[in-house]
Amino acid sequence: GDSVTQMEGPVTLSEEAFLTINCTYTATGYPSLFWYVQYPGEGLQLLLKATKADDKGSNKGFEATYRKETTSFHLEKGSVQVSDSAVYFCALSLNSGYALNFGKGTSLLVTP
Amino acid sequence: EAGVAQSPRYKIIEKRQSVAFWCNPISGHATLYWYQQILGQGPKLLIQFQNNGVVDDSQLPKDRFSAERLKGVDSTLKIQPAKLEDSAVYLCASSPLSNTEAFFGQGTRLTVV
Repeated sequence: GDSVTQMEGPVTLSEEAFLTINCTYTATGYPSLFWYVQYPGEGLQLLLKATKADDKGSNKGFEATYRKETTSFHLEKGSVQVSDSAVYFCALSLNSGYALNFGKGTSLLVTP
Repeated sequence: EAGVAQSPRYKIIEKRQSVAFWCNPISGHATLYWYQQILGQGPKLLIQFQNNGVVDDSQLPKDRFSAERLKGVDSTLKIQPAKLEDSAVYLCASSPLSNTEAFFGQGTRLTVV
């Protein structure tokens, strides 16, 4: 079935370090791909998305490129801040009207 | 624009008791989802409504869980009787009909003791 696999956490980085969180997917069709973020005490928020191959989603300094050849959607940020500490979820959806299928989440802690 | 509203935020019950959660989606959103998020895992879809019809309830444990969406707007999710393994955060989300992006509420944290 369709599924998302993301790297295990927790990930601990110093402020201004480079961040990569790996995400790969398995899908029967051509899914849309998403990164959601959950800050402490808050609900899930959409961080970025890409709907077709080679699309790049970006928001708040985060980027991810939809790579069909490697079935990946890795999340990157050039310089993390303490305020980026959160849990990050990679997800896919097969099409409009289909529910999101989430990975297990990766916890990120950024220290000053 | 008001977000997805859920209540209560927290609930503690004993096993074999019943509990209900309420969700009010963003106005005009045709699709409503209930997800279960167990600690340390990603959210798992329980049920998806489009307007007031069920689109997918394949992962809903129907012997104990039930859900309805009244008049295609608000929704309630009920568990009866609860088990210890039902301890989780229950998330409600909604989306416009033609969009895959889902907007989430803050969730209800259920603890079954």
